[in-house]
Amino acid sequence: EIVMTQSPATLSVSPGEGATLSCRASQSVSSNLAWYQQKPGQAPRLLIYGASTRATGIPARFSGSGSGTEFILTISSLQSEDFAVYYCQQYNNWPLYTFGQGTKLEIK
Amino acid sequence: EVQLVESGGGLVKPGGSLRLSCAASGFTFSSYSMNWVRQAPGKGLEWVSSISSTSSYIYYADSMKGRFTISRDNAKNSLYLQMNSLRAEDTAVYYCARDGVLFGIFEIWGQGTKVTVSS
Repeated sequence: EIVMTQSPATLSVSPGEGATLSCRASQSVSSNLAWYQQKPGQAPRLLIYGASTRATGIPARFSGSGSGTEFILTISSLQSEDFAVYYCQQYNNWPLYTFGQGTKLEIK
Repeated sequence: EVQLVESGGGLVKPGGSLRLSCAASGFTFSSYSMNWVRQAPGKGLEWVSSISSTSSYIYYADSMKGRFTISRDNAKNSLYLQMNSLRAEDTAVYYCARDGVLFGIFEIWGQGTKVTVSS
């Protein structure tokens, strides 16, 4: 099983600032990595797939980078609606998909 | 509008059974692989099971093998999860999710149905 590790567990940022979330895989997943956003009481929403491709309707302030074992989700100029929990997920080891434990992005 | 709506959750005793359903609309259901993903209270996301568009390929996470059965009815635009021998650790919100451009990219999610296993 590929273990996905996200850091930090919690990130406190002020609105208007940028945020950088990290995700590390226990072995290479190539670029087969997705990012999801989840707000309290809601289902997750796909943000990024292929490590860097934004899903339909996702604002340009969300960007993803990385390959192999190290990945980054960057959110520039945080809006109030961006404060949520973010999960990375690998789909390289099909079909044994695994998620990271999540990073909670909170208002500073 | 593309939509997935889960149902069938509830309270069940340890060792009991439950069948979850997921009704799809707004897209050609028979063209997509489908998945179940769960989330225990206050915890992260866990992939449960996947089924290909024609039911030819079915996969389960190790902890669900032998207890859970995924199925679909393309004529009814519906996905199912039969859960047997339920344990307290199966308590979670269960989401159905549609694959996207590639297998394993969960592009569309339902709102989830809550399953509580408790005596």
